[in-house]
Amino acid sequence: GAVVSQHPSWVICKSGTSVKIECRSLDFQATTMFWYRQFPKQSLMLMATSNEGSKATYEQGVEKDKFLINHASLTLSTLTVTSAHPEDSSFYICSAPRVGGLSTQSYNEQFFGPGTRLTVL
Amino acid sequence: GIQVEQSPPDLILQEGANSTLRCNFSDSVNNLQWFHQNPWGQLINLFYIPSGTKQNGRLSATTVATERYSLLYISSSQTTDSGVYFCAVDPPLSGYSTLTFGKGTMLLVSP
Repeated sequence: GAVVSQHPSWVICKSGTSVKIECRSLDFQATTMFWYRQFPKQSLMLMATSNEGSKATYEQGVEKDKFLINHASLTLSTLTVTSAHPEDSSFYICSAPRVGGLSTQSYNEQFFGPGTRLTVL
Repeated sequence: GIQVEQSPPDLILQEGANSTLRCNFSDSVNNLQWFHQNPWGQLINLFYIPSGTKQNGRLSATTVATERYSLLYISSSQTTDSGVYFCAVDPPLSGYSTLTFGKGTMLLVSP
C-alpha cells in the first residue's frame, strides 16, 4: 500500500504559540490531501481539503485563519495551528488519495498518516 | 449530507470467535473503505470495496451497493484485532472525493 507520513507524531506547546504539522506522501504524488481532527473516543471529522497550487477548502465551522494549510508540492501539505489554545488539543490526521484506473473503472483509495497528537497547555 | 451508521458500537469477543460488523449508508457512494485504528491512532487500510466481496486472510468484506450496506467479517479473532473499526464512504457529489466516517465499532478481543 501507499505510505503517508506525518511529523511530528506528538507536540506539547504553550497557549498562544503556533504549531506546524507536516504531511507527506512518500511513494506517490497527491494533488489533494485531507486534514482530519479526532477527539477522544470519537470519529474523524474532516477539517479541510488541501489543494496543490491553490487555496484550501475548509469545512463549515473550521476557521481558516486559525488552521492555515499550505500544499507546497505534490508530496507535501502542512497544517499550522496558529495561536493555539487548550481547546485546540486534539489528534490531527492527514490523508492522501491514490488514484488511478480508467474513466470507466477508476479507483480512489485514501491512505492515512500516523497522526499528530497536539497538547496545548 | 450522507449518513453512515455502524453497528454494533461496541463488541467484546473471546479469542477465536467470529464476528460481523455492519455499515449502512444513506445514499449511493463512489468509494467505501474499511479501516482499523490501532491503539496508537494509526488508521490501517483493510479494504477498498465500493462493491462486491474481497478477502484478506482472516478478514473479508462485502458491499451491496444497491442496498447501501457493507459487512466486515472477522474470523478466528485474535487479541491484536482489538481496536476501532471504521467504515468511510465517498458520495458521488463530494467534489474532492472526501470521506465521511461512521462512528466506528470498538472491538475488544480477550485472551
